[in-house]
Amino acid sequence: GAGVSQSPSNKVTEKGKDVELRCDPISGHTALYWYRQSLGQGLEFLIYFQGNSAPDKSGLPSDRFSAERTGESVSTLTIQRTQQEDSAVYLCASSQRRGGGADTQYFGPGTRLTVL
Amino acid sequence: GENVEQHPSTLSVQEGDSAVIKCTYSDSASNYFPWYKQELGKGPQLIIDIRSNVGEKKDQRIAVTLNKTAKHFSLHITETQPEDSAVYFCAALLGYSTLTFGKGTMLLVSP
Repeated sequence: GAGVSQSPSNKVTEKGKDVELRCDPISGHTALYWYRQSLGQGLEFLIYFQGNSAPDKSGLPSDRFSAERTGESVSTLTIQRTQQEDSAVYLCASSQRRGGGADTQYFGPGTRLTVL
Repeated sequence: GENVEQHPSTLSVQEGDSAVIKCTYSDSASNYFPWYKQELGKGPQLIIDIRSNVGEKKDQRIAVTLNKTAKHFSLHITETQPEDSAVYFCAALLGYSTLTFGKGTMLLVSP
């Protein structure tokens, strides 16, 4: 079946502009996660959705970052007034929460954001 | 919160040799430990995982071991092949949602 998809694959923007990144999870997956991967670094957790609510948004680095999810499907990550330090690959993952315990997170290909 | 340390940061081996990557975690309540492989320009792909009630798990040339007492787990790849070259990440799950990742190991397998 189809995996996690993200768009755009690449985004170049000017400092101060707003950007929106999109994630389409695997159909039927109720949990959705956003991560940020800076050059040569590991994955930094940003936010977790269960259904359309976000019980854990502790990783969002500032109030310029926000995310929403609708219809228990698509999610958008919005970065307002982008800064050069926001340049990174933004990865989305989804999983099929079964009501308890750990389950596998499946990742999309990521969106490479470059802020000039 | 959880903290995961991963070593080495780079690893070069000859084709056919074994490769071992090690991770330590800080919170003894962590209960799930996946390993991901990331090829250039792609998202991480799960290659193997282990839960806290198991000490070892194998899948063909790949194995993972877990020592809960010492709070460390390792990835073992035997008979390495050039297509194993990639960045490998370990992770630990505390609770039900948030994975904490190591900083990654770049594995290079030379023919």
